[in-house]
Amino acid sequence: DIQMTQSPSSLSASVADRVTITCRASQSISGYLNWYQQKPGKAPKLLIFGASSLQSGVPSRFSGSGSGTDFTLTISSLQPEDFATYYCQQSYSTSWTFGQGTKVEIK
Amino acid sequence: DVQLVESGGALVQPGGSLRLSCAASGFTFSSCAMHWVRQAPGKGLEYVSTITSNGGSTYYANSVKGRFTISRDNSKNTLYLQMGSLRVEDMAVYYCAREMGDGYNYFDYWGQGTLVTVSS
Repeated sequence: DIQMTQSPSSLSASVADRVTITCRASQSISGYLNWYQQKPGKAPKLLIFGASSLQSGVPSRFSGSGSGTDFTLTISSLQPEDFATYYCQQSYSTSWTFGQGTKVEIK
Repeated sequence: DVQLVESGGALVQPGGSLRLSCAASGFTFSSCAMHWVRQAPGKGLEYVSTITSNGGSTYYANSVKGRFTISRDNSKNTLYLQMGSLRVEDMAVYYCAREMGDGYNYFDYWGQGTLVTVSS
């Protein structure tokens, strides 16, 4: 299975901060990388697909980049509703594996 | 509106079996590959299984291979997960998710989840 490693595992940030989360795949996955946001007690929500395409309805402060093995999710100006856990996921192989998650907390 | 509603979660003893269901509505179920994803209490998301739109191909995480079986009934718009030889480490909220995309595929809709508790 392809292993996905996110960093950091958690971070503390303030409203209006720029936040970057990285995701590394154990082998090249081209652009087959998705990002999800999950809040406590809720199902995950798709933010970014294909490494850099913004899902309809998702605010433009979210962006994704990368290809091959290294990817980033950037929140340009953190808002109160963005405090959540973020997961990357590869859809390159037949088994779609997730990163371990990055929890974004209020500083 | 697209809806995915899981059911069947319960308390089961180690070694036991359980069948989860996911009722789909608001879209052409028979056109979409479907997946199961789980989340143990306080832990991250874990891919479990995939079934193609016509049920012709299935895929599993190594952690459940040989114990779980994914299936679907397109006439009933329902996805299933038959779980056997359950272990304590299978305890989790189980989500069904719809696969979408044309090339770069992703999960665009998820159910609310159903809780499976494995304990003696």
